[in-house]
Amino acid sequence: GIQVEQSPPDLILQEGANSTLRCNFSDSVNNLQWFHQNPWGQLINLFYIPSGTKQNGRLSATTVATERYSLLYISSSQTTDSGVYFCAVEPDNNNDMRFGAGTRLTVKP
Amino acid sequence: KAGVTQTPRYLIKTRGQQVTLSCSPISGHRSVSWYQQTPGQGLQFLFEYFSETQRNKGNFPGRFSGRQFSNSRSEMNVSTLELGDSALYLCASSLSGAAEQFFGPGTRLTVL
Repeated sequence: GIQVEQSPPDLILQEGANSTLRCNFSDSVNNLQWFHQNPWGQLINLFYIPSGTKQNGRLSATTVATERYSLLYISSSQTTDSGVYFCAVEPDNNNDMRFGAGTRLTVKP
Repeated sequence: KAGVTQTPRYLIKTRGQQVTLSCSPISGHRSVSWYQQTPGQGLQFLFEYFSETQRNKGNFPGRFSGRQFSNSRSEMNVSTLELGDSALYLCASSLSGAAEQFFGPGTRLTVL
């Protein structure tokens, strides 16, 4: 099946720093989403981005489908950005998303 | 518009028992997918239902089953619980295949 790799696995930043999270996938996909999991386990939608570039405030994302990777940019990080960020891809049209292992981000004040 | 809801939020069972979890999708969404999250295996796809039909199933034993009702609400059942079934169970809803998925808050199951 499709493989999804996220890097780095762990990231520690000082408040105000910028960061880039990467997601590589091994096959073509119909859907790609980025999520932030809060401490209570809820997956918060960040981006639905099978291709192209999107921005939402301090966050932006780019997916290059032909090269099978996606990037999540976080600028001017805040302590509330801490948590685990997941990339998930859907290899077909049946909503069976495959998740990466996540990047655990810690932002220190 | 109300989000995806899951009940119960927390559940404690003993080995050998069975459990039923419920998921109500966003109004108008016809697809419901279920996922299991554990520290060791991460987030894994269980199955997906669309218009009351199971369209896809992940690599889980037959003890894990589900169904979807005509109002798109879905239930999943785990029979003969094992310690390893302790996990956060998440459901997600979407309009259709390859559409954006929205997740519920999850049900945290502990098997003693």
